Amino acid sequence: DIQMTQSPSSLSASVGDSVTITCRASQGIRNSLAWFQQRPGRAPKPLISTVSILQSGVPARFSGSGSGTEFTLTISSLQPEDSATYYCQHYVGYPFTFGQGTRLEIK
Amino acid sequence: EVQLLESGGDLVQPGGPLRLSCAVSGLSLGPYSMSWVRQAPGKGLEWVSVVAGGSGDTYYADSVKGRFVISSDISKNTLYLQMNSLRVEDTAVYYCARLIQNWGQGTLVTVSS
Repeated sequence: DIQMTQSPSSLSASVGDSVTITCRASQGIRNSLAWFQQRPGRAPKPLISTVSILQSGVPARFSGSGSGTEFTLTISSLQPEDSATYYCQHYVGYPFTFGQGTRLEIK
Repeated sequence: EVQLLESGGDLVQPGGPLRLSCAVSGLSLGPYSMSWVRQAPGKGLEWVSVVAGGSGDTYYADSVKGRFVISSDISKNTLYLQMNSLRVEDTAVYYCARLIQNWGQGTLVTVSS
């Protein structure tokens, strides 16, 4: 099974800052990589698919990049509502697996 | 607008069965792969199972293989998860999802004596 490892596990940043979350796959996953946002008490929300394609309604300050085994989610110009846990997930084959999550706190 | 509504979560004793349902509106299930994903209290997301769109092939996480069965009823546009031989560690919020597009709000399954 492919393992997904996110770093950091948590981070804290201020409104207006930019942050980057990294996701590493244990083997190549081509471009089959998605990112999700989960606010406390809420269902996960799809943000990005195919490494860098923003889902409908997702602000342009979210961006994704990477290839092969290393991928990043960057959030620029942080807003208070970005406080959440972020997960990456591969979908190159079954079983799909998620990263362990990165908790983002907005100071 | 696509909506997914899970139901069936409950408190159940270890070893018991439970069936979850996910009523889908705004799209027809047949062509699309649909998954169940769970989240134990205070933990991360765990993909559980999928029924592949078109073929109807099913796949499971090792943690539930042989105990859970995923199915769909196209006529009712509903996804199901039959859970048997439940364990305490199956306690979680269960989400149905068209993974990259749409998620339900989840239903809580608690396995406890």
